[in-house]
Amino acid sequence: DTAVSQTPKYLVTQMGNDKSIKCEQNLGHDTMYWYKQDSKKFLKIMFSYNNKELIINETVPNRFSPKSPDKAHLNLHINSLELGDSAVYFCASSAGTAVRTQYFGPGTRLLVL
Amino acid sequence: DAKTTQPNSMESNEEEPVHLPCNHSTISGTDYIHWYRQLPSQGPEYVIHGLTSNVNNRMASLAIAEDRKSSTLILHRATLRDAAVYYCILRNGGATNKLIFGTGTLLAVQP
Repeated sequence: DTAVSQTPKYLVTQMGNDKSIKCEQNLGHDTMYWYKQDSKKFLKIMFSYNNKELIINETVPNRFSPKSPDKAHLNLHINSLELGDSAVYFCASSAGTAVRTQYFGPGTRLLVL
Repeated sequence: DAKTTQPNSMESNEEEPVHLPCNHSTISGTDYIHWYRQLPSQGPEYVIHGLTSNVNNRMASLAIAEDRKSSTLILHRATLRDAAVYYCILRNGGATNKLIFGTGTLLAVQP
């Protein structure tokens, strides 16, 4: 069983389009995250949700909007995609908001043309 | 979160031990030392963490200096599947649970 899954695995799209990435975890965790890994392999947190409530919101353009329909899901919607959005996006989850082990998904490779 | 310093890359031979160093001279008393690794084309995965005492688990050992200003991740017998980027991250016990990744150490394992 996959603990943290993401769909799609690959996403190729044109500039200006709107796209969504989905994340699901079956670990029973109440906290989920989105990280972005750029072309230089630098990993940076974007958002975190705890019990469907936003608790971390780094300086991310407002074209990025996370949505958590329930504790097991955290989706990322991106409006008006730009070339610089090309990256690998990782979802993660943990039990609680304190210093807990995070479990990462396999990543979604987004390429904006 | 306090800063960590790691070598950009290291090389090891298969089935030999590997010692991956991390310096964290500005560590505070409540900072935990966490290690994650990222295998090629995969998401990061947790390896081990500790506060003051040395720690062992099925993946690795963590040796923490007495003054806590440095630590070493020890892979006892490197395999080809251990080739990855290893990240040493300080986590404050009272902070929100966000991981701040540095550049890590790229470990190459030669057969």
